[in-house]
Amino acid sequence: NAGVMQNPRHLVRRRGQEARLRCSPMKGHSHVYWYRQLPEEGLKFMVYLQKENIIDESGMPKERFSAEFPKEGPSILRIQQVVRGDSAAYFCASSRREGASYNEQFFGPGTRLTVL
Amino acid sequence: DQQVKQNSPSLSVQEGRISILNCDYTNSMFDYFLWYKKYPAEGPTFLISISSIKDKNEDGRFTVFLNKSAKHLSLHIVPSQPGDSAVYFCAAGGVLQGGSEKLVFGKGTKLTVNP
Repeated sequence: NAGVMQNPRHLVRRRGQEARLRCSPMKGHSHVYWYRQLPEEGLKFMVYLQKENIIDESGMPKERFSAEFPKEGPSILRIQQVVRGDSAAYFCASSRREGASYNEQFFGPGTRLTVL
Repeated sequence: DQQVKQNSPSLSVQEGRISILNCDYTNSMFDYFLWYKKYPAEGPTFLISISSIKDKNEDGRFTVFLNKSAKHLSLHIVPSQPGDSAVYFCAAGGVLQGGSEKLVFGKGTKLTVNP
């Protein structure tokens, strides 16, 4: 049973370019979360999606950032016109939420974005 | 506004001794708390959790204690092993505003277990 997959593991972009980060949840999981970790910081929630729906995007910057989780295929976190401050580790997590007493989220290995 | 706080950025213990990692929170609406372990260049790995209606949960060498009145939880590792050296994150969750069950993380405590 493969875990949460993220690709690429490392991504280098120049300022102004676009970054696309992909996340495939664990098999049977229909809930996806994106978190960002800045250096020396904890993980900060960005967005929570279910298939074809954005449930909570309260942690997403208002501009340049978008996320989707289509019916088929991975979830995508898209950052347009990247700036140096976007450099961080981006983690995706998935959960099942069927009869669970708590929302255990399983994390992927992360994508490390470096903006030059 | 940091709702989950881990005030010790680092902790160093001797192999075989007890490691105690602390976490404080401010939001009384949290329903459950989790501890994650993270190695460099990897994603967080779930370790242990506790519901807000309990005060203790034990799994092998790991025990989590919850003091709701003090809004404080701690993770005990005994005996500590060198392989436990990692960054430990405390996280809290529940059905918060908007129905979202996002996790709120502390900044982490780097544990070093010396042989």
